[in-house]
Amino acid sequence: NAGVTQTPKFQVLKTGQSMTLQCAQDMNHNSMYWYRQDPGMGLRLIYYSASEGTTDKGEVPNGYNVSRLNKREFSLRLESAAPSQTSVYFCASSESILLREKLFFGSGTQLSVL
Amino acid sequence: QQQVKQSPQSLIVQKGGISIINCAYENTAFDYFPWYQQFPGKGPALLIAIRPDVSEKKEGRFTISFNKSAKQFSLHIMDSQPGDSATYFCASYSGNTPLVFGKGTRLSVIA
Repeated sequence: NAGVTQTPKFQVLKTGQSMTLQCAQDMNHNSMYWYRQDPGMGLRLIYYSASEGTTDKGEVPNGYNVSRLNKREFSLRLESAAPSQTSVYFCASSESILLREKLFFGSGTQLSVL
Repeated sequence: QQQVKQSPQSLIVQKGGISIINCAYENTAFDYFPWYQQFPGKGPALLIAIRPDVSEKKEGRFTISFNKSAKQFSLHIMDSQPGDSATYFCASYSGNTPLVFGKGTRLSVIA
């Protein structure tokens, strides 16, 4: 069972470069999320999609854009990468926010911006 | 803004001892309190969760204690084992907003 698949696993960017982090889930979940994890800061929500066709900002959305391509896929784009965006990025999915179902996380993307 | 305050940041426990991690919240609209466990190089995974209508939930060696009046909840790991060494996150849900996480506790269980 694949669950939540994130690509790439590692990426090094130069300041100002752009890139898209890909995420796909095969559990037919309605809700998908992007979190970033930094030492001592825990998991902070960047953007989420409660259902296909909707996206909303989380706690730290600045510098990012998202696209809910279809029910399976939710991508995160950095238009002009900055060193402050060096982090580990996790995509997650759940059946529904309202149902309080557990989140399934991908294995993460480690991004370094030089 | 941090809505869930977690402590301690790190914890070292002897094998066989009890590990205790605490979380406090201010938003009384929170209605679901899960704990997630994360091993190095992996994404977090749900460990155990509690709703505010009960004061305690136990699953094997893991117990959540919930104090609604104090707006606090804690994770207790009994008979801690080296395999429990991981980062633990408390979290909370409110209304139709996504899960909010604490900052995490890095637990090391030493033999």
